[in-house]
Amino acid sequence: DGGITQSPKYLFRKEGQNVTLSCEQNLNHDAMYWYRQDPGQGLRLIYYSQIVNDFQKGDIAEGYSVSREKKESFPLTVTSAQKNPTAFYLCASRSGLASTDTQYFGPGTRLTVL
Amino acid sequence: AQSVSQHNHHVILSEAASLELGCNYSYGGTVNLFWYVQYPGQHLQLLLKYFSGDPLVKGIKGFEAEFIKSKFSFNLRKPSVQWSDTAEYFCAVLIYNQGGKLIFGQGTELSVKP
Repeated sequence: DGGITQSPKYLFRKEGQNVTLSCEQNLNHDAMYWYRQDPGQGLRLIYYSQIVNDFQKGDIAEGYSVSREKKESFPLTVTSAQKNPTAFYLCASRSGLASTDTQYFGPGTRLTVL
Repeated sequence: AQSVSQHNHHVILSEAASLELGCNYSYGGTVNLFWYVQYPGQHLQLLLKYFSGDPLVKGIKGFEAEFIKSKFSFNLRKPSVQWSDTAEYFCAVLIYNQGGKLIFGQGTELSVKP
């Protein structure tokens, strides 16, 4: 069964803690993305990666970090430096870099800071 | 900076009413345009997309959208909505040569009354 999986579905964090959100895809897609969704603001890009061992900052990268050691995996770490981390986080992947390629989204992780 | 604007934050319709959701973007170059839908508790799914050619594109579930280049618009339409269309709808723009990142609008929540 092909697709994008994100875990956990819900995550609670105490202030000052780092947490890592998992994103795995078995679609053999080259590019992967992390977005943050807040009510009334749509989705905003945090980081993206077009190939293994390479990634670029998106529009709101401060307080986040990523790695891309394997093609199928793109974990996101929310650090204590992120001032307002409570949000819904969506991972996406895209088969190639052609402009006609579509992004597909995972089910998301809802992070709540207590 | 590039941006996408969706005109309506929340739309409430009765079943069988016609739907039009506005989307405008600010970018003078070549773009690819998308509408995504997020049903309650489900993944973000692609509804339809425009890359080139006929500016009137048809998507799933009877939705269509028209690209009007002169107006920088990509409005979503459906002649007769159903209760099952209740969801949040996002317009998105892909800017060429920026790693395939999508710029999303703020989203429009559609509630259809039975």
